[in-house]
Order: sequence, then C-alpha cells, then structure tokens
Amino acid sequence: QVQLQESGPGLVKPSETLSLTCAVSGDSISNYNWTWIRQPPGKGLEYIGYIYNIGSPDHKPPHYNPSLKSRVTISVDTSKKQFSLKLRSVTAADTAVYYCARRRLEIITNTYHYYMDVWGKGTTVTVSS
Amino acid sequence: DIQMTQSPSSLSASVGDRVTITCRASQSISNSLNWYQHKPGEAPKFLMYAASYSQSGVPSRFSGSGFGTDFTLTISSLQPEDFATYYCQQSYSTPDTFGGGTKVEIK
Repeated sequence: QVQLQESGPGLVKPSETLSLTCAVSGDSISNYNWTWIRQPPGKGLEYIGYIYNIGSPDHKPPHYNPSLKSRVTISVDTSKKQFSLKLRSVTAADTAVYYCARRRLEIITNTYHYYMDVWGKGTTVTVSS
Repeated sequence: DIQMTQSPSSLSASVGDRVTITCRASQSISNSLNWYQHKPGEAPKFLMYAASYSQSGVPSRFSGSGFGTDFTLTISSLQPEDFATYYCQQSYSTPDTFGGGTKVEIK
C-alpha cells in the first residue's frame, strides 16, 4: 500500500525559500503524477501544482497554479523515490499545512477524471522571522 | 478559476442520521467532481470521483450525485467514524479548486 510522508523545515524566514520533500513508499514513483496542496490556517485547500509521470512517453513539464507559478518548482528524484517542492520568496501568507498526494487519472466515456487518491498527513510550515 | 462553494460549512448530526452536503461550482464542470474526508492530524482520504464513482473500500453508505454545477455527497446512516470535514474538488479545469469544507460534528 502506497504511503507518502512530507518532510522539511517547520519554520522559514520571510523572503527565503521553502523546501519540502515527499517520500513515496509501497509503489513506484515513476508510474504516477505527483502533486502538492496546502491549507493556510483557517482557510481551504489550495492546489500548488503537480509533476507528470516521468515514466510516460508523453511526459510534460510540471503544471503550477498560476497564482504561485512564478515562485514554485516541483521536481522528482526517482533514485530516492521522492518528489520535492520549492517555494521562493515566501511571506507570512505562505504559512500553511503542506500536503503531498498522488494524482490519478480515470477515463470514463472519453472524459478524463483526475483525483488525488493517496495523501500524506501534511507538514506545518510557518513563515516568520 | 472555478469557485467551489460548499454548504453548510458545518452541521451537527447524530449517529444514524442521514446527512447531505452540497457543493456548487461557479460554472459547469460536467461531472468532474471529487470528494474527500479529512480528520485532524490524518491524511485526507479520497472518497469519490466523477461525482458518483466511489473509491474502492469506501462504505456503501456514502453516495454522490450531480452534474453541471450542483453536486451532493450523502451519508445514508452516519457512523461514529464519519465525523470529519468533507471537501469537494473540481478537476474540470486547472487549477484544481476545492470547496471550503463541511465539518460534520456530533450532536
């Protein structure tokens, strides 16, 4: 059974780079798309972006939420079975619980349905000096 | 971005009650609607995709319906383990967007 575990600093200073890692166990990292989502205190879930299945012949560049695109990089390290999030120039507004998740695709009558079927427990990141 | 609005934001119910949660999209999303359950300190749990298709292992008391802009998640007989926050999410167009959540509490 696949499990995901986020890790990284719990405190980041304003203007610095937030770096998180998600370790994948129980399944191949190469066969799926992987995503990051966050939840600021008292607010709803926000999609950050996802990285495509690197094992796919039609592998595409990562997709990012336009609201964060200029500051975000998501990458994958297959040798370590982990994928990563980097968010640059953070402010207090980036304080949140950060989740990693596996993104799946189901095709029903020629319609593509994407969903996150496995999530990590989340890691809290606070941006403060 | 497509806005997702859930109602109610919270509700109190008793074990055995029938509970319905509504999710409304700001524009038509066909049936590209997913549901998740989240308990504090735990990983969110995926329940349903394409509005009405249950993930393997999800109890049959959970059902989903809807098309276009209006969707519902129904729990036919609330169980103690169902007290949690439920989120809808549209995958019709990027960026994915989530509803604000519905917290189901014990009455």
